[in-house]
Amino acid sequence: DSGVTQTPKHLITATGQRVTLRCSPRSGDLSVYWYQQSLDQGLQFLIHYYNGEERAKGNILERFSAQQFPDLHSELNLSSLELGDSALYFCASSSGLAFATDTQYFGPGTRLTVL
Amino acid sequence: DAKTTQPNSMESNEEEPVHLPCNHSTISGTDYIHWYRQLPSQGPEYVIHGLTSNVNNRMASLAIAEDRKSSTLILHRATLRDAAVYYCILNTGNQFYFGTGTSLTVIP
Repeated sequence: DSGVTQTPKHLITATGQRVTLRCSPRSGDLSVYWYQQSLDQGLQFLIHYYNGEERAKGNILERFSAQQFPDLHSELNLSSLELGDSALYFCASSSGLAFATDTQYFGPGTRLTVL
Repeated sequence: DAKTTQPNSMESNEEEPVHLPCNHSTISGTDYIHWYRQLPSQGPEYVIHGLTSNVNNRMASLAIAEDRKSSTLILHRATLRDAAVYYCILNTGNQFYFGTGTSLTVIP
């Protein structure tokens, strides 16, 4: 158990809908990262927040957005969903800001299925 | 273009050493090399990372070529619990670029 929690575990929705995925980092960690894992694209970095501020963006679509709240939990919002958005979405957390050297602890993921 | 390339799969006998290779020919001077592994139905788990010198920790060793265009993750004695997909990752600035991963099978 990494100490990172993600809810829900599974989500099934229809095309065009909007969903919110939630992540609670390990106690004391200030950084939250979001990743997408799909059969087509493999694992891709989406976005990084540190203490409430966006620090880096990866391959995140404009239809997707994220935020980190004062209590440090984070939400990933996916809108206008398409079939290709079906994937596992992982959240990870780390203690600091050093992307290069901090160990990231991954949650168990949320499996999103878009029908 | 993929930033890292890895073999799709490898096999090892239990209690034998395993060498997992990774090519990252476009690496630049400040890019770190990270390895994470993903056990079935779990999120990735940190294994090791390095910049230029070889690195050791309780899980593995990381051997980095002198020109840094390739690296090798070494598991000293494979156990059945090491069966996983191993990802070689290039950290460029504030980006993480995952390879396609090597699926390691450990044979009892």
